[in-house]
Amino acid sequence: DIQMTQSPSSLSASVGDRVTITCQASQDISNYLTWYQQKPGKAPKFLIYDASNLETGVPSRFTGSGSGTHFTFTISSLQPEDIATYYCQQYHNLPLTFGGGTKVEIK
Amino acid sequence: QVQLQESGPGLVKSSETLSLSCSVSGGSISSHYWSWIRQPPGKGLEWIGYIYFTGSTNYNPSLKSRVTISVDTSKNQFSLKLSSVTAADTAVYYCARGGGRFDRWGQGTLVTVSS
Repeated sequence: DIQMTQSPSSLSASVGDRVTITCQASQDISNYLTWYQQKPGKAPKFLIYDASNLETGVPSRFTGSGSGTHFTFTISSLQPEDIATYYCQQYHNLPLTFGGGTKVEIK
Repeated sequence: QVQLQESGPGLVKSSETLSLSCSVSGGSISSHYWSWIRQPPGKGLEWIGYIYFTGSTNYNPSLKSRVTISVDTSKNQFSLKLSSVTAADTAVYYCARGGGRFDRWGQGTLVTVSS
């Protein structure tokens, strides 16, 4: 199985701050990576696919980059409604696997 | 807008079989892959398996011996059966559209395994 390692596991930042989350794959997954946002008590929401493509309707302050084994997810200007846990997920190989999540809180 | 809705018992006894259904509305179940994903309380996400509308399936090897996913195109729904459950199977179970990335999700249903 491909292991997906996210860091940090949690972070606290101020409104307006730039926030960056990293995701490392245990082997080359090209750009077969997606990012989800999960708010408490809710289902995950699809944000970014193919490592850097923004899903329709998702605010442009969310961006993704990377390929191979190293990926980043950035919120350019943190907003109160961005408080959530963010997950990366690879779809290069089966079984499909997720990172452990990064909980983003407001300082 | 495609919507998914899980249904089934919220409480299952240990060693019995967990059974859930996912109803798809606002679009056809045909020509897409459909997955089940679970999340134990306070933990991360685990992909269980997917089915194509033709009935072709693929399961996570960690659960493969206990999982069956089926599809009923006439009802526009697909289903999950997980046998011989234990407390470790207590989780929120989500159905989702996709066999790689998941662009639509149900709201999730909590299934608790009791002894």
